[in-house]
Amino acid sequence: DQQVKQNSPSLSVQEGRISILNCDYTNSMFDYFLWYKKYPAEGPTFLISISSIKDKNEDGRFTVFLNKSAKHLSLHIVPSQPGDSAVYFCAATALTRLNAGGTSYGKLTFGQGTILTVHP
Amino acid sequence: DAGITQSPRHKVTETGTPVTLRCHQTENHRYMYWYRQDPGHGLRLIHYSYGVKDTDKGEVSDGYSVSRSKTEDFLLTLESATSSQTSVYFCAMKVGNTIYFGEGSWLTVV
Repeated sequence: DQQVKQNSPSLSVQEGRISILNCDYTNSMFDYFLWYKKYPAEGPTFLISISSIKDKNEDGRFTVFLNKSAKHLSLHIVPSQPGDSAVYFCAATALTRLNAGGTSYGKLTFGQGTILTVHP
Repeated sequence: DAGITQSPRHKVTETGTPVTLRCHQTENHRYMYWYRQDPGHGLRLIHYSYGVKDTDKGEVSDGYSVSRSKTEDFLLTLESATSSQTSVYFCAMKVGNTIYFGEGSWLTVV
């Protein structure tokens, strides 16, 4: 049972345009979401996160939107650059349970990843 | 730089041999994790630790064991390596609300 899904295995975008990567989740306990970027032969790099008490978080060219009712989040990259070409993973965790002494322990559940290619 | 290193970075081993991967952090963080990455699966949690000698299983723990005798080191052991354990292994640690990953250990079981 895949609790976090990225239904688009790949996305191709022209340089300067917007890239939109999507992610869906099923577990209602998830309340904190993260996006990671991964280049070949490197570890995942943290990009941006969002708490379920917000519906948007922005950091430079990267914006994450959360729609709790639809259990859907998206990462927008504007403008896209060739250096953004990488695999993007969304991840989710039940953070509140951890901070309240629960048993989440910050464990992340990942989607399958989306390969973004930005063409010059 | 997240202050987390993995060793070895690359290893080829034979089926049936034991293998230990090491994860070392320099920042005294409590929570550490081992994930594996395989095509079509994203990253999947193998084991995690919430303190010295406190560990628990993740979703794909069969065939793996872990140990954490010191805060800074989290070891992942394949007791008897199988070809299905050929993968990329990532160690991670929790800093605030964010999980930071190491560079990865590429393991091939032949």
